[in-house]
Amino acid sequence: DIQMTQSPSSLSASVGDRVTITCRASQSISSYLNWYQQKPGKAPKLLIYAASSLLSGVPSRFSGSGSGTDFTLTISSLQPEDFATYYCQQSYSTPRTFGQGTKLEIK
Amino acid sequence: QVQLQESGPGLVKRSQTLSLTCTVSGGSISSGDYYWSWIRQPPGKGLEWIGYIYYSGSTYYNPSLKSRVTISVDTSKNQFSLKLSSVTAADTAVYYCARANGDYAYDAFDIWGQGTMVTVSS
Repeated sequence: DIQMTQSPSSLSASVGDRVTITCRASQSISSYLNWYQQKPGKAPKLLIYAASSLLSGVPSRFSGSGSGTDFTLTISSLQPEDFATYYCQQSYSTPRTFGQGTKLEIK
Repeated sequence: QVQLQESGPGLVKRSQTLSLTCTVSGGSISSGDYYWSWIRQPPGKGLEWIGYIYYSGSTYYNPSLKSRVTISVDTSKNQFSLKLSSVTAADTAVYYCARANGDYAYDAFDIWGQGTMVTVSS
């Protein structure tokens, strides 16, 4: 199985801050990396697929980069609605695996 | 637009079989390059992929659950289903159905149901 490791596990930030979350795969996954946002009591929502492709309707302040084993999700200017838990997920091979999540909290 | 909705019992007794159904609306389960998936999330924990099925019936399961999992599809009803046998307290979780999009999204899970909480009781 491909292990996905996110850092940090939690992060405190303020509205307007620029935030970066990192995801590392235990082996190369090319660009088969996706990012999701989950709010309490809700299903995850896809933000970015194929490492850097923004899903239609997702604000442009979200961006993704990376390939191989190292990836990042960046939020350029945090908005109040962005405080949530973020997960990375690889779709390179089965079993599909997720990172453990990064909880983004208000400072 | 395509929507997914899970249904099934919220309480299952230990050692019995958990059965859930996901109904797809707003589109055909047989169209496109999609894999129809089950994902679960224990309370306060992360996401675990259970497996998925193509409309033709081809299945892919997580090896950690493979001996206990069956995913099936009913194209006439536009539904797919999950059965998980011999459940224990460790199977208590929110169960999501989701669509993996192979058409353009590198098999990312682009549409999710709202999730259904299943509790295993003793």
